[in-house]
Amino acid sequence: DQQVKQNSPSLSVQEGRISILNCDYTNSMFDYFLWYKKYPAEGPTFLISISSIKDKNEDGRFTVFLNKSAKHLSLHIVPSQPGDSAVYFCAASAGGGADGLTFGKGTHLIIQP
Amino acid sequence: DTAVSQTPKYLVTQMGNDKSIKCEQNLGHDTMYWYKQDSKKFLKIMFSYNNKELIINETVPNRFSPKSPDKAHLNLHINSLELGDSAVYFCASSQVGTQETQYFGPGTRLLVL
Repeated sequence: DQQVKQNSPSLSVQEGRISILNCDYTNSMFDYFLWYKKYPAEGPTFLISISSIKDKNEDGRFTVFLNKSAKHLSLHIVPSQPGDSAVYFCAASAGGGADGLTFGKGTHLIIQP
Repeated sequence: DTAVSQTPKYLVTQMGNDKSIKCEQNLGHDTMYWYKQDSKKFLKIMFSYNNKELIINETVPNRFSPKSPDKAHLNLHINSLELGDSAVYFCASSQVGTQETQYFGPGTRLLVL
């Protein structure tokens, strides 16, 4: 029973263009959403987050959008750079996160020169 | 000055053995976690722990036990290792309050033969 779903296992984008990674969730108790980036043989690195009281959060080239009614969030990276090639995990938590994060399966983003 | 560190990075052992993985964080956080990333790449919470409370994912076998000598350390002990325990184990920490980000260690790759 996946509560956080990333339906695209991989995504290929040309350098300089926009990368859009999508995530859907089913648990309406989730109130905090995060994106992590992961390189091979390393731990997940925090990228950006958004609270359920907001619909957008921006940090440099990264913007996360949240559509609560659709239970959908997306990560936009613009412009995409070769160093952005990695696996991106969507994660969610409820009530402060003491129960841990619930992760999606990840999307492998490949930035092509 | 690594924020969350784990040792060892790789661990190869025989079925039936008992092993431990160590985790240390220097972020001053009050809550630590263990996650398991299985062969299908899902990251799943195993435990979350602070000085007051241990929250255990009900799917985790009781062969797994977290031990915290102090606030900065949360070690994972695994008894009677089985083939299915082969995975990557990640430690994480956060300051639990309202919607705090978790920071992850580099992972320990466990292979049970």
